[in-house]
Amino acid sequence: QVQLVESGGGVVQPGRSLRLSCAASGFTFSSYGMHWVRQAPGKGLEWVAVISFDGSNKYYADSVKGRFTISRDNPKNTLYLQMNSLRPEDTAVYYCAKELGVKWAAEYYFDHWGQGTLVTVSS
Amino acid sequence: EIVLTQSPATLSLSPGERATLSCRASQSVSSYLAWYQQKPGQAPRLLIYDASNRATGIPARFSGSGSGTDFTLTISSLEPEDFAVYYCQQRSNWPPLTFGQGTRLEIK
Repeated sequence: QVQLVESGGGVVQPGRSLRLSCAASGFTFSSYGMHWVRQAPGKGLEWVAVISFDGSNKYYADSVKGRFTISRDNPKNTLYLQMNSLRPEDTAVYYCAKELGVKWAAEYYFDHWGQGTLVTVSS
Repeated sequence: EIVLTQSPATLSLSPGERATLSCRASQSVSSYLAWYQQKPGQAPRLLIYDASNRATGIPARFSGSGSGTDFTLTISSLEPEDFAVYYCQQRSNWPPLTFGQGTRLEIK
């Protein structure tokens, strides 16, 4: 069965960096786009970034553009989110999510989610 | 950016009743809309995509309808496990992919 396990969250000071990882199993990772979605405490869902199945295309929310970088290592079945210049408003649970559609038939819906990792940005 | 507005914010119903949740888009999203369910402390779960297609393993009591700017998620007869927060999400005009603010379905 599909399994997504995030790691790398924690408490970090404003302006510092953090890298999140998402280990994938139970499906052909290299055939699916992957997303990061975040949820601030007690708030709704916010899409953060997407990377295509082969890593050739990446898109970001305006709120993180220029500060966050999504990447993937297909041989290692792992998705990453490098977060630089962190701000208090980046405090959230970060979920990795699998794309519903396969390869070029991406649907931009999220059919499997990890359990999330909490990032807290505070001095 | 397409803004999705969900109503009501909170819906109080009893098990066995019918639930109707609404999602309105600030501009047409055609049929490119999904619904997710999220329970406390859990990740969201995909229920419906492309407005009316049930995701794998989703019970038939969940159905979606609508197109353009107005969409509805219907739960025909509420089970105890259906009380949760529900979000809509569009993929018509992106980036960004956007979500509604959520509807909390609570037990009356």
